[in-house]
Amino acid sequence: DADVTQTPRNRITKTGKRIMLECSQTKGHDRMYWYRQDPGLGLRLIYYSFDVKDINKGEISDGYSVSRQAQAKFSLSLESAIPNQTALYFCATSDSTENTEAFFGQGTRLTVV
Amino acid sequence: GIQVEQSPPDLILQEGANSTLRCNFSDSVNNLQWFHQNPWGQLINLFYIPSGTKQNGRLSATTVATERYSLLYISSSQTTDSGVYFCAVGHYGQNFVFGPGTRLSVLP
Repeated sequence: DADVTQTPRNRITKTGKRIMLECSQTKGHDRMYWYRQDPGLGLRLIYYSFDVKDINKGEISDGYSVSRQAQAKFSLSLESAIPNQTALYFCATSDSTENTEAFFGQGTRLTVV
Repeated sequence: GIQVEQSPPDLILQEGANSTLRCNFSDSVNNLQWFHQNPWGQLINLFYIPSGTKQNGRLSATTVATERYSLLYISSSQTTDSGVYFCAVGHYGQNFVFGPGTRLSVLP
């Protein structure tokens, strides 16, 4: 089983619908992240959480919200999906120490029509 | 914030050739990783290398933190090496910043 699991792996939704992407991890890490990747570009940070009670906006948080339900679970919501949110979404985790490797999930390919 | 550049943006190789990919960053870092994104979109950790040199099979990486760059070497390239290679850096307590990537195509 993967250390960082994202569900669903693929999703097509309609404009205006609410959708939730889920991430769970078995690495015991405190820090979790949501990134977005648009075609031909690198990853950009949406939200991050350093522990269960800590939520922070990243570079591109508008139109998104998150929930850290437990140390191991971090979900991303699109309250009212729009077509330009069509992208590949990645969840990642890392330890709370300074010099630490990040681990990524397999990605969720979201299409908003 | 910290800026990350990667070069070249695109690279086409014949199978069996060697290549060097470069990552430059604008500030000191305490965290640097190389990833391979395969044609299916999955991100694969290649190296965690904030400094020094590491090798894993045909791949090796070197980071010279004082000069703010890292290099990824691919030897005897194979078609399965195709995809996009990302460098990502972390700057003391701040989050990872990704470079724009190098798109590698290895031809049979």
